[in-house]
Amino acid sequence: GENVEQHPSTLSVQEGDSAVIKCTYSDSASNYFPWYKQELGKRPQLIIDIRSNVGEKKDQRIAVTLNKTAKHFSLHITETQPEDSAVYFCAAIAGGSNYKLTFGKGTLLTVNP
Amino acid sequence: DGGITQSPKYLFRKEGQNVTLSCEQNLNHDAMYWYRQDPGQGLRLIYYSQIVNDFQKGDIAEGYSVSREKKESFPLTVTSAQKNPTAFYLCASGTLINEQFFGPGTRLTVL
Repeated sequence: GENVEQHPSTLSVQEGDSAVIKCTYSDSASNYFPWYKQELGKRPQLIIDIRSNVGEKKDQRIAVTLNKTAKHFSLHITETQPEDSAVYFCAAIAGGSNYKLTFGKGTLLTVNP
Repeated sequence: DGGITQSPKYLFRKEGQNVTLSCEQNLNHDAMYWYRQDPGQGLRLIYYSQIVNDFQKGDIAEGYSVSREKKESFPLTVTSAQKNPTAFYLCASGTLINEQFFGPGTRLTVL
């Protein structure tokens, strides 16, 4: 089955700096890669996603890049703010198993004022 | 997200008890999912259902059961066979293009 590795497990940045979280996946047939943000005690919220037919997608301060050859994808947050502090999860849907997401173990991002 | 509800928010279980967690959605999504989240862990899939009256085991189905009698509802039963059920349980529903949206979660504690 699909295996998703996420790094780093914790990340601390100063307000205004950029943050990058990286994930690798094992199934070359995977075709959908969402990112979720989870604040303490709350539900995960879908913040951005990318499909295998594009290499990059942006939404204001957030961007995701995908390298299908290397089987990795990354979340980029620019001009970080304290409210960006949360746990971020990457995920992938393996080819041939529509609907079934495999999640990374999460990155705790702390943005220091 | 507002279209997915879970109840109760907190649940306490005694040893040997079965408990049922409710999940309802009004988003008209065909697919629904149950995940378990433990501290420092990602989300692990318990069961999922792509259509009414059909469901499949996820990665950690032992000790759990589900039903899908209505499109809107996907209840999860944590049976006494689940030896370590204390966790945060998240229900999600999904679109035909694979986007998944989560409910607010149920925090289950074994007494």
